Amino acid sequence: DSGVTQTPKHLITATGQRVTLRCSPRSGDLSVYWYQQSLDQGLQFLIQYYNGEERAKGNILERFSAQQFPDLHSELNLSSLELGDSALYFCASSVEEGFSSPLHFGNGTRLTVT
Amino acid sequence: AQKITQTQPGMFVQEKEAVTLDCTYDTSDQSYGLFWYKQPSSGEMIFLIYQGSYDEQNATEGRYSLNFQKARKSANLVISASQLGDSAMYFCAMREKATGRRALTFGSGTRLQVQP
Repeated sequence: DSGVTQTPKHLITATGQRVTLRCSPRSGDLSVYWYQQSLDQGLQFLIQYYNGEERAKGNILERFSAQQFPDLHSELNLSSLELGDSALYFCASSVEEGFSSPLHFGNGTRLTVT
Repeated sequence: AQKITQTQPGMFVQEKEAVTLDCTYDTSDQSYGLFWYKQPSSGEMIFLIYQGSYDEQNATEGRYSLNFQKARKSANLVISASQLGDSAMYFCAMREKATGRRALTFGSGTRLQVQP
């Protein structure tokens, strides 16, 4: 168990809808990362938050947004969903200090857009 | 250009044998870190091992070791004494210090199947 909690485990929704994915990082970790894993794109970094502030952006679409709250949990909001958004969405957390510190991943939320 | 290249989409190995999973990387940074993760069929991503670019010795963690060849820009994962539970996807990832970014860039992965 990595200590990173993601909910829900599965989400099925229709095109055009909006969903929210939730992540609680490991105790003590201030950084949260969101990744998308799809068959054709592999594991793609979306966005990182550190202690409530956006720290880095990756290949995140404008339809997607995220935030990190004062209690350090994070939410990823996906709107105007398309079939191609179907993927496994991971949240990961890490300590900020230490170049060698790995990312610790949650079990992911599997999103299916129909 | 691909930052991380894993050229073996799939590999088979007999139980109790050793297997090497290839990873090459592309960076002009002198300071970087290389990570390997395992993803079983259940989906979670499990951190296995880390190698820093300035580490003089190859990293080892139990049955996992890294064959790090800096000049060739390769960081191959060696799994000794394979077990059935090692069947999974394996991903190589990199973090470059010069970018200032702490997110990892992942390769496309290698699916390992351990046969009894």
